Amino acid sequence: QKEVEQDPGPLSVPEGAIVSLNCTYSNSAFQYFMWYRQYSRKGPELLMYTYSSGNKEDGRFTAQVDKSSKYISLFIRDSQPSDSATYLCATLTNNDMRFGAGTRLTVKP
Amino acid sequence: EPEVTQTPSHQVTQMGQEVILRCVPISNHLYFYWYRQILGQKVEFLVSFYNNEISEKSEIFDDQFSVERPDGSNFTLKIRSTKLEDSAMYFCASKERTSGGLLLYNEQFFGPGTRLTVL
Repeated sequence: QKEVEQDPGPLSVPEGAIVSLNCTYSNSAFQYFMWYRQYSRKGPELLMYTYSSGNKEDGRFTAQVDKSSKYISLFIRDSQPSDSATYLCATLTNNDMRFGAGTRLTVKP
Repeated sequence: EPEVTQTPSHQVTQMGQEVILRCVPISNHLYFYWYRQILGQKVEFLVSFYNNEISEKSEIFDDQFSVERPDGSNFTLKIRSTKLEDSAMYFCASKERTSGGLLLYNEQFFGPGTRLTVL
């Protein structure tokens, strides 16, 4: 069983749409849950992180973690063409980070 | 703003050759990592390094791989005898200190990557 599962997409939405990105994970020991954004030919950059269960909001972005169902979500409101990128979920325990496959998102003007 | 740098940006090598990928982590960071991303696949953890020794490594990181911090600024990944399947983007990352609890998350900062092509 893969430790972090993520639908690779691709996902294409019109500008202004609400985007929902999701991951599931298998190891209940994971403590931190991150969303990274990766533009083409660049390294991943941290978008948001949460610790344990709950919601976290940062501008147009909301991250949710449900530890009971081992489910991680990222919502993007009022999506913009500049949001077009690959979004990677990741989990962390101690020093060990595990990534999902990444979902390629395109926001069309 | 401090950033992780990696050289070269693209390395082409023949199968069986040794390659060394170089990284300069952010200067006050203590934890160092290598990841790889085969084209179209997920980012995979290779190894973490702290206090001049490997702290964790994945099953990918076999005897063909080694890491070194030869001086106070560089962090290198060596592949002894490259194989075709080693072709990938290799990302270096660094972190200031370990994470602990809600207020003590420490972000890993990634470099731009080195694209390794093995022919």
